[in-house]
Amino acid sequence: QKEVEQDPGPLSVPEGAIVSLNCTYSNSAFQYFMWYRQYSRKGPELLMYTYSSGNKEDGRFTAQVDKSSKYISLFIRDSQPSDSATYLCAMTSGTASKLTFGTGTRLQVTL
Amino acid sequence: DTGVSQNPRHKITKRGQNVTFRCDPISEHNRLYWYRQTLGQGPEFLTYFQNEAQLEKSRLLSDRFSAERPKGSFSTLEIQRTEQGDSAMYLCASSLGGARGLTEAFFGQGTRLTVV
Repeated sequence: QKEVEQDPGPLSVPEGAIVSLNCTYSNSAFQYFMWYRQYSRKGPELLMYTYSSGNKEDGRFTAQVDKSSKYISLFIRDSQPSDSATYLCAMTSGTASKLTFGTGTRLQVTL
Repeated sequence: DTGVSQNPRHKITKRGQNVTFRCDPISEHNRLYWYRQTLGQGPEFLTYFQNEAQLEKSRLLSDRFSAERPKGSFSTLEIQRTEQGDSAMYLCASSLGGARGLTEAFFGQGTRLTVV
């Protein structure tokens, strides 16, 4: 079993919808949780990070972490066609020297 | 500085040949990472430098792979005697040090390797 599980999708939603993307993890040492966006054949682009449990909002994006359930989410409000990409969750402990990624969820926002 | 730069963007090579990739990190970042990403998968950690010192290597990094970061600036990743299974996107990232450094790791555009 992988340390980080993420549904690969694809997830198809109409423009303007609220999108919910999720990851579960098994390593209780993870303290920092990141979301990256990756367009086809490009490198991952950091969207936001959250430390420990709680919520964090940045524009149309909200990240949530529930450490008791080992579950993290990214919500995208008012989704746009330009949001169509693969979304990768990543996480690390405070002492590790690497990020552990999920497989990524491919999102398609249709007109 | 416009971010992490990787060269070449694409490389096609014949099986058995050696290849070398280059990464130029964000100038003030002392940490540099190499990851490998195959189709439909998330990036997997290969190795990590703090300044010029290579501090950690993944089991994925077989003895055909070698990475260097002379003078703590740019880094190179060399693959010797390439195999078809080496076909992947090779990603470089950089960050500041400290416990929170990884929360703001920035990736380059990657080098896509195809071994034929």
